Amino acid sequence: GQNIDQPTEMTATEGAIVQINCTYQTSGFNGLFWYQQHAGEAPTFLSYNVLDGLEEKGRFSSFLSRSKGYSYLLLKELQMKDSASYLCAVVDSNYQLIWGAGTKLIIKP
Amino acid sequence: DVKVTQSSRYLVKRTGEKVFLECVQDMDHENMFWYRQDPGLGLRLIYFSYDVKMKEKGDIPEGYSVSREKKERFSLILESASTNQTSMYLCASSRRGEVVQETQYFGPGTRLLVL
Repeated sequence: GQNIDQPTEMTATEGAIVQINCTYQTSGFNGLFWYQQHAGEAPTFLSYNVLDGLEEKGRFSSFLSRSKGYSYLLLKELQMKDSASYLCAVVDSNYQLIWGAGTKLIIKP
Repeated sequence: DVKVTQSSRYLVKRTGEKVFLECVQDMDHENMFWYRQDPGLGLRLIYFSYDVKMKEKGDIPEGYSVSREKKERFSLILESASTNQTSMYLCASSRRGEVVQETQYFGPGTRLLVL
């Protein structure tokens, strides 16, 4: 079967750095998305990785290792507004999106 | 900016009622999707459409149907609502990618409660 694993919940302090991991087992791989979803709102696109390595976009970076079936989202200089759920999704061999259950990130002052 | 709108933010219906959820996007996207989102579970695909009048079943189509008569509009229909269909329903759209899955843009969601 196809499986995406993320921690259910994480807590971090304002101003700090946090890493949210995502491991996947899918039938084929055609890229990995990270989305951010604030409570009661729609998911919004953060990043897309299809090649190994780190992609940096401001305070957010996303890393991919295809050989390990692993990705992480790195958030630096955390702000209170970063409190949200972070969803990992993998594009499988049929170009269908397989979604993880999401990681709820709680930021404390 | 892509805009995806859904007809209702909150909806309360009774068991057995027929329910219509409407989704409209304004970016001329070919692809449209309906998901449901439940606590502790990932987004689950109900139906999707790659073109007008075209529909494909997703992972959990039972109890649902869809309609895509116009490119910008994708409707989800609950033929006879049941309490286990209480959920958050999210609509999304994307361009038709040539090689890989294009980024999906989501509507604000409809929180449906079936009593």
